[in-house]
Amino acid sequence: GENVEQHPSTLSVQEGDSAVIKCTYSDSASNYFPWYKQELGKRPQLIIDIRSNVGEKKDQRIAVTLNKTAKHFSLHITETQPEDSAVYFCAASYPDANQFYFGTGTSLTVIP
Amino acid sequence: DAEITQSPRHKITETGRQVTLACHQTWNHNNMFWYRQDLGHGLRLIHYSYGVQDTNKGEVSDGYSVSRSNTEDLPLTLESAASSQTSVYFCASSVLAGTSTDTQYFGPGTRLTVL
Repeated sequence: GENVEQHPSTLSVQEGDSAVIKCTYSDSASNYFPWYKQELGKRPQLIIDIRSNVGEKKDQRIAVTLNKTAKHFSLHITETQPEDSAVYFCAASYPDANQFYFGTGTSLTVIP
Repeated sequence: DAEITQSPRHKITETGRQVTLACHQTWNHNNMFWYRQDLGHGLRLIHYSYGVQDTNKGEVSDGYSVSRSNTEDLPLTLESAASSQTSVYFCASSVLAGTSTDTQYFGPGTRLTVL
């Protein structure tokens, strides 16, 4: 099955700086890559996703890039704010599978 | 508003007891999933269902079972609870979107402690 690796496991940045989280996947057939944000004690919530027919997607301060050749995708958060502090999970999914394979998460701390 | 709910939100039980965690969604989604979340492991798939009467095993299905008798509910049963099953359990659902994978929406979670 699919194997998703996520790095780093923890990340601390100063408020206003950028944060980058990277994920790699093993199965070239995967074609959907969502990112979830989970605040302490809360449920994971989708923040952005990308499909394999595009290389980059942006939504205000967050963006995701996808390199299908290298089989990796990244989350970029610019102008970080304290409320960005949370655990972020990446995932990958096959066509027709509707199953997500999650990375192990990155705990992001934004220092005021 | 349509939503996905889980009950109970917290549960303490003893080793060997049978436990059932409820998941209910009002979006009329065909796909429903159960995950467990443990530190260092992220979210791991336990069981999933693509529709009524359909159930499938996930990555960590041993000791768990599910049944899907209607679209709205996918209860998760721990047949004989073990301490290794102490975890936070999340239910999720998504639309059956043909050949396109659709976003999964998560419930609020159930924290289960097995003593």
